[in-house]
Amino acid sequence: DTAVSQTPKYLVTQMGNDKSIKCEQNLGHDTMYWYKQDSKKFLKIMFSYNNKELIINETVPNRFSPKSPDKAHLNLHINSLELGDSAVYFCASSQGLALYNEQFFGPGTRLTVL
Amino acid sequence: KQEVTQIPAALSVPEGENLVLNCSFTDSAIYNLQWFRQDPGKGLTSLLLIQSSQREQTSGRLNASLDKSSGRSTLYIAASQPGDSATYLCAVSPRGNQFYFGTGTSLTVIP
Repeated sequence: DTAVSQTPKYLVTQMGNDKSIKCEQNLGHDTMYWYKQDSKKFLKIMFSYNNKELIINETVPNRFSPKSPDKAHLNLHINSLELGDSAVYFCASSQGLALYNEQFFGPGTRLTVL
Repeated sequence: KQEVTQIPAALSVPEGENLVLNCSFTDSAIYNLQWFRQDPGKGLTSLLLIQSSQREQTSGRLNASLDKSSGRSTLYIAASQPGDSATYLCAVSPRGNQFYFGTGTSLTVIP
C-alpha cells in the first residue's frame, strides 16, 4: 500500500492551460508539503500545510494554488501554465511539524509544458 | 538564507567498498537533518533523521553523523552494494515546517 500517492504520474500539456495534481496520504499525518524538483535535480519547497492550514508559501507565483479539503489530501492547482513550470512535483507528509519527524514522499508527478 | 551543499556531485565505487558522502550547510541553527535516497524516476525514501541534539544515527549499513557547529553531516555506507546506486540527498530543517535540500550525490556501485 502506497503511503503517499500522487496522480497523475505524468502530465503533458500546452502553455496557458490549467491543470491539477492530486496528493493523498494514508499515514494519518497532519502536515503535508509540495516540492518542485527542477531539471538540475534541485528540490525546493513550495507549500506546507498543517491541519489544512497554510503555514508556508515560499514565494510561489499565485498561479499555483494548493487546496487541502482534509488532512489526508493536498492538491495543487496550476493556472496559466508556463514553460518554466516543467519539473517534477513531489508531495510529502509528516506527523506534526518536521521538527522531530521524518517526511515521507510521494513518487512525483512529471509535468511537461509544451 | 540556508544553503546546503553536497560533495562530491557524483561518485563511482567498486562493490564492497566503504564510502562517505558529505553534506554541508551554512546556518547551524537547524532542528534536524535528514538523509534521503532517490532512485531514477522515483520519489524520495527517507534513510535517517538526526535531531539537532544528536550526533549520529545508524540503520543497518548506514551511519549518519551531524556536527552542527561546523555545519556538516556525513553519510557512511559500509560494504556498498550495487543496489545502493542512487542519488543521495541531505536536507536540513531550520524551522519545523520545511526542509532545504542539497543538490545530491549520484552514487554508482560497480559490481
